[in-house]
Amino acid sequence: GESVGLHLPTLSVQEGDNSIINCAYSNSASDYFIWYKQESGKGPQFIIDIRSNMDKRQGQRVTVLLNKTVKHLSLQIAATQPGDSAVYFCAENRNQGGKLIFGQGTELSVKP
Amino acid sequence: DAGVIQSPRHEVTEMGQEVTLRCKPISGHDYLFWYRQTMMRGLELLIYFNNNVPIDDSGMPEDRFSAKMPNASFSTLKIQPSEPRDSAVYFCASRRTGIRTGELFFGEGSRLTVL
Repeated sequence: GESVGLHLPTLSVQEGDNSIINCAYSNSASDYFIWYKQESGKGPQFIIDIRSNMDKRQGQRVTVLLNKTVKHLSLQIAATQPGDSAVYFCAENRNQGGKLIFGQGTELSVKP
Repeated sequence: DAGVIQSPRHEVTEMGQEVTLRCKPISGHDYLFWYRQTMMRGLELLIYFNNNVPIDDSGMPEDRFSAKMPNASFSTLKIQPSEPRDSAVYFCASRRTGIRTGELFFGEGSRLTVL
């Protein structure tokens, strides 16, 4: 079946360290992936996206890597800060209309 | 700029009652989405509209759920009759047509508790 899922449900890192959040997808036809951040009590917030014609995309302190061979997506956060504590979702956009399918999420906890 | 506005933020009701959730998308956005979030099922897409027309309602759980978008600045999600299993956070999101089709702007959600 088609799914977007995460390897780890929780991740705890020390402030200042780099964080890596992983995501696996099963639909080999998927061509567009997105990462969202959800803070407690708020709605998800767009972080960064990547299309399948790219392997890597960088934003401010974040990098998304896409490995189409093994259908794996990761989000790297450099110099993790307490404000990065949140649940992170990967999502798959399945058609041009924007039907976004979300994974289960990884909770990132940053220790001071 | 105002973001997506949802109301009510919290609703507690009894089983069998009608519940109406409201959403005002960001001005100029032509797509509107309703999502439901629970611990067990995560974020589920219920329905989405483009230019006020429902495009995909395959995620709507059953006939007790209905959604409308009478104009570009307002949408409702109605549950009638409500059941305890409907308890969840309901999010509305919007976006505009463009290259970044995955960039949805979410409201802060409506937390529904059905007793």
